[in-house]
Amino acid sequence: QVQLVESGGGVVQPGRSLRLSCTASGFTFSRYGMHWVRQAPGKGLEWVAVTIYDGSNEYYADSVRGRFTISRDNSKNTMDLQMNSLRVEDTAVYYCAKGIGHNYGNPFDTWGQGILVTVSS
Amino acid sequence: DIQMTQSPSTLSASVGDRVTITCRASESISMWLAWYQHKPGKAPRLLIHETSSLESGVPSRFSGSGSGTQFTLTISSLQPDDFATYYCQEYNTYFLTFGGGTKVEIK
Repeated sequence: QVQLVESGGGVVQPGRSLRLSCTASGFTFSRYGMHWVRQAPGKGLEWVAVTIYDGSNEYYADSVRGRFTISRDNSKNTMDLQMNSLRVEDTAVYYCAKGIGHNYGNPFDTWGQGILVTVSS
Repeated sequence: DIQMTQSPSTLSASVGDRVTITCRASESISMWLAWYQHKPGKAPRLLIHETSSLESGVPSRFSGSGSGTQFTLTISSLQPDDFATYYCQEYNTYFLTFGGGTKVEIK
């Protein structure tokens, strides 16, 4: 079945870096746009970033642009989120999500279970 | 950026009630709107895309309508499994903005 599994979360100090990974299975990974979405404690969902199907383009939310980098490896069915210069307000559960199309402008029909990132001194 | 405003933020209802959640976009998004259901500790679930297209496996008591800037999600007869938080999301732009969410609670 279609499945997304996140890894790499944990506790990190402000200003440090962390790398999240998402491993996909059950579908042709290279055909779909892939996203990161987060939910801060007690808050709603916030879209973070997207990499389109072939990795040739990516887009970011204003809140993370210049600090986070999304990437994908279609040969390994994986997607990463490199998070640099982390801030306390980046504390959230991070979800990996699959778009229903190959480009960026699509809703998400499959989500991972989420992974917690805590930024604290 | 497009702003997505959901109302109400919290809704108390009983099993069997008809429930309507509204989502308003700050500018036209045509029909490019999705609805998700989210329960604590679980992955969000896509219910509806393109305003009114029900995802496979989603009960027919869920329906969506609207266009432009005004959209609604209706649950025709609320069931125990429907108590959750619901989010709208625009996908007219690459910002893919979510609404603030509507928590549907047991009355």
